[in-house]
This record gives sequence, C-alpha cells and structure tokens, in this order.
Amino acid sequence: DVKVTQSSRYLVKRTGEKVFLECVQDMDHENMFWYRQDPGLGLRLIYFSYDVKMKEKGDIPEGYSVSREKKERFSLILESASTNQTSMYLCASSLSSGLSNYGYTFGSGTRLTVV
Amino acid sequence: AQKITQTQPGMFVQEKEAVTLDCTYDTSDPSYGLFWYKQPSSGEMIFLIYQGSYDQQNATEGRYSLNFQKARKSANLVISASQLGDSAMYFCAMRETGNAGNMLTFGGGTRLMVKP
Repeated sequence: DVKVTQSSRYLVKRTGEKVFLECVQDMDHENMFWYRQDPGLGLRLIYFSYDVKMKEKGDIPEGYSVSREKKERFSLILESASTNQTSMYLCASSLSSGLSNYGYTFGSGTRLTVV
Repeated sequence: AQKITQTQPGMFVQEKEAVTLDCTYDTSDPSYGLFWYKQPSSGEMIFLIYQGSYDQQNATEGRYSLNFQKARKSANLVISASQLGDSAMYFCAMRETGNAGNMLTFGGGTRLMVKP
C-alpha cells in the first residue's frame, strides 16, 4: 500500500559531504515536491518538479539541487552538507490539476543530521 | 507577508472535549483551496479535510470540521470529542489557482496535546 517512499528514515552525514535523498512514488503523479520541516517554521518548499527533467525553485533552494530523470523518482541533493541543513525532509507528490480537493501524498520523511 | 498563519504553537485539550485550531490565510486569488494535515510523532502527514473557496458549506469529515469564514480569511479546524490519538502536529495549507504544480503553502503548525 506504500505510495511515496523515501529511501531513508534517519540519516547522519558529515559536514561537507554530498548527500542524496531519494523519493519514489508509484501513483503516476506529475508533480513532486521536496520540503524541509523545522520547529515553528512549518514546511518550507525547497524545489518541485512538474514533469520529467523539469524543476522549479521553491522558497529556500540555496544549498540544494534536484534531479528528476524518471517520472516516479525525485532526488534531493545537498551539494556540500552543512549543520544548518539538519532537518526533517518531506517528499510529496500530486496530480497536475483537475481534482480540486486533491492535496498531496507524502512520504514518511527523512530526518537528516549533519555533524 | 505570511500566506498561512497558525498563531497557536501548542495547545492542550482535555480528552472528550472539543478544540479549535486557528488558521488565517492571505490571498488575492478568488479561487483557492484550504487543507488541514495531521502529523503524529511517527512523522507521516495525514490529510484531514479540504475546503474550497467557493464551497457554500463548511467542510466536515467525521470528528473534523472546518469553520470557514471567508471575509475574515480564516479556516479554523474543529475537532470534536478529542481522543488521545489526536495528539499530534496540525498543519493548515493553501493552494492558490495557478500555483505551478498544484503547490501547497503551509503554516507553522500547532502541536495539540490531549490530556487524559
């Protein structure tokens, strides 16, 4: 019954490492999103993609990049991890349009700690 | 300016009582949708309820209802008969028409704690 899968639940990385967070959905959704969640700040959009090989910056893209080579997979890349990127990362997917009451389907999150 | 504001960082409620979680929003788009999600300590985000800007009636889903006051731009979540399992973070979110990719904007969240 799993629909959006994030590859790791918990991750510990060292400062300066290149980090890959993977997200896979099996619902044939066009749109995929990466958010980070921090206490008091809610969910902030990092990047999203509305089609294969397409990407758009969200509110806080600095220090991150993304890759979407296949429709079902959306990867978040931390080029050089820093301690201020310690956070919960949430992946989500949605249909492109049409169903007005359709929000997101979320993955279970990756809690990343950068030491 | 914040598009979604949740002014209550944390709240307590007695089991079996009703509780209201506040959400105000800011948009000039006449067509938009409002969502509430629940996030238990396990981390997954669970969709609770949706309200469209043109919906005439307040949305209800079981014990959840949405007190939608369009002129005041508020969309408060009401949970009736609170249960211990309702203890969680709750997020209000908005989608504006024309948002690329059906993007949602989220508030800062409210942590609800239900006391036995």
